[in-house]
Amino acid sequence: DVKVTQSSRYLVKRTGEKVFLECVQDMDHENMFWYRQDPGLGLRLIYFSYDVKMKEKGDIPEGYSVSREKKERFSLILESASTNQTSMYLCASSPFGEGTEAFFGQGTRLTVV
Amino acid sequence: AQSVAQPEDQVNVAEGNPLTVKCTYSVSGNPYLFWYVQYPNRGLQFLLKYITGDNLVKGSYGFEAEFNKSQTSFHLKKPSALVSDSALYFCAWGVNRDDKIIFGKGTRLHILP
Repeated sequence: DVKVTQSSRYLVKRTGEKVFLECVQDMDHENMFWYRQDPGLGLRLIYFSYDVKMKEKGDIPEGYSVSREKKERFSLILESASTNQTSMYLCASSPFGEGTEAFFGQGTRLTVV
Repeated sequence: AQSVAQPEDQVNVAEGNPLTVKCTYSVSGNPYLFWYVQYPNRGLQFLLKYITGDNLVKGSYGFEAEFNKSQTSFHLKKPSALVSDSALYFCAWGVNRDDKIIFGKGTRLHILP
């Protein structure tokens, strides 16, 4: 089974802190994604990576950055956490190819106080 | 902007009745279309997808969806609902120029015993 593991289920951070959310996949997938999920807004794509060191902005990249130094690991970085970044963050991976589906981690619920 | 729309925030269906969760798309070219489900306190799970070919797609847990190009729709259906189908359902799309997957806002399905 494909496994996408997010390092934390719950995080509480203070405003202004630098926050790292880590994601690891074990299926050698080329593509990795970070989404945030908010009630009534669905899933919104923050960043997408299609290869090591390659990244593309999604729909809401402001306030976030990403790092992909190894194929299996994709990190989301909140440079200076703010209360409006309180959300559920979902990581996913997929193999390269037409119409391949994404496999999701369990999510990290981040609260910024 | 290209997108998928899920016009209903919530759908209520009596157990044993057929269910439909609606999705319409506004995507140029030939989109890939997906359905995902999120059970309480769990990550997203892939249900089914349309890439090309047969317009009727069958997926997990007895779900199916029909791609209708003239109506730009990809509604999710099941002939007989179970209480355990109660969950949050997301429609999503992708295109073949990259592997990004973009999600709709979700529809909460309640199956009433």
